[in-house]
Amino acid sequence: RKEVEQDPGPFNVPEGATVAFNCTYSNSASQSFFWYRQDCRKEPKLLMSVYSSGNEDGRFTAQLNRASQYISLLIRDSKLSDSATYLCVVNPGTASKLTFGTGTRLQVTL
Amino acid sequence: GAGVSQSPSNKVTEKGKDVELRCDPISGHTALYWYRQSLGQGLEFLIYFQGNSAPDKSGLPSDRFSAERTGGSVSTLTIQRTQQEDSAVYLCASSLTGGNTQYFGPGTRLTVL
Repeated sequence: RKEVEQDPGPFNVPEGATVAFNCTYSNSASQSFFWYRQDCRKEPKLLMSVYSSGNEDGRFTAQLNRASQYISLLIRDSKLSDSATYLCVVNPGTASKLTFGTGTRLQVTL
Repeated sequence: GAGVSQSPSNKVTEKGKDVELRCDPISGHTALYWYRQSLGQGLEFLIYFQGNSAPDKSGLPSDRFSAERTGGSVSTLTIQRTQQEDSAVYLCASSLTGGNTQYFGPGTRLTVL
């Protein structure tokens, strides 16, 4: 089983739609979690950290389910500019390198 | 403040030549990472430096690949006797310490002819 698994997509949604991605991780001792965004031919950039209690940043909501070992990202009112690949990232332990998922591609259309 | 910088931004080389890729991390960041990303693929971890500890080289694909980090700052990734399958974008990232948010450089696009 991969350390971090994501549905590669693509998810094709119309503008204004709500879309959600899930990501599962295998190491139950994982310490911290992030969502990164990567635009085509660009480097990944931090979108948001994922906190145990769940957190929201504008149209984006991230949640963590430790019991089931998954994290989710919800995007409301999708914009064309949200089109990108969303990378699920897990820290398996302190002072460890982060483990990146292969990403979920989102395409928002008119 | 200044982010992670990498040079060159593009490198075209002939099969069999050696190449050196450079990464300047964010000042004060003790952790530095190298990744490789082929077109349309996910990030492939190569090597991880954390402070003065021995680097984690578990991701290096062959002994043609090596990296060093001098003075806890600048890092160089060296690929010897390049092959066409080495063509990819090589990304460097740094973080305050291991396990924290990573900040990526713009990458070096390597093309081996």
